[in-house]
Amino acid sequence: EIVLTQSPGTLSLSPGERATLSCRASQSVSSTYLAWYQHKPGQAPRLLISGVSSRATGIPDRFIGSGSGTDFTLTISRLEPEDFAVYYCQQYGDSPYSFGQGTKLEIK
Amino acid sequence: QLLESGGGLVQPGGSLRLSCAASGFTFTNFAMTWVRQAPGKGLEWVSALSGSGSNTYYADSVKGRFTISRDNSKNTLYLQMSGLTAEDTAIYYCAKDFRSTYYGRFDPWGQGTLVTVSS
Repeated sequence: EIVLTQSPGTLSLSPGERATLSCRASQSVSSTYLAWYQHKPGQAPRLLISGVSSRATGIPDRFIGSGSGTDFTLTISRLEPEDFAVYYCQQYGDSPYSFGQGTKLEIK
Repeated sequence: QLLESGGGLVQPGGSLRLSCAASGFTFTNFAMTWVRQAPGKGLEWVSALSGSGSNTYYADSVKGRFTISRDNSKNTLYLQMSGLTAEDTAIYYCAKDFRSTYYGRFDPWGQGTLVTVSS
């Protein structure tokens, strides 16, 4: 089973700043089967990025996914107030499809 | 588009059936999945089912205790849970997959239903 490790656990930033979230896999992720989800308390998780870098429908272009192999990054170019949430990476190349433990993005 | 129900308080060793009512898409054309989040924890994939209902997939942690199924005539996904333990306490989310066979790209998700296992 592929284990995904996200860092940092918590990231404290201000609106307007740039956020860089990391996701490292215990082994190479097949093809480009890496996704990112945003989750706010009391809400449904939301797909942001799939295929490493493809934004889901309606996702603003300030969300940028990148990486390959075992190292992946979600960058939020300029934080908006609504971006503060927990972010999860997920690999869906090798069953069981696993999630990282999450990065909490909080307002500084 | 996805609305879960059926959560609640259940005693250890008990059973519960969750439902997920789908709307806004052709239900039979998409695999469906259950993902859970225990209190203070991250997301954990639980189970998935192909669009036809022919192929099922389970996490090791629930295999033999949980059964996923669907009624395509009712646009509804189910999760029958038995032998529940405190470790099963979580919010359970259903989510739509990308295609009719299990693919692993989940969009959208429901709001979730809370299952609490306690005496």
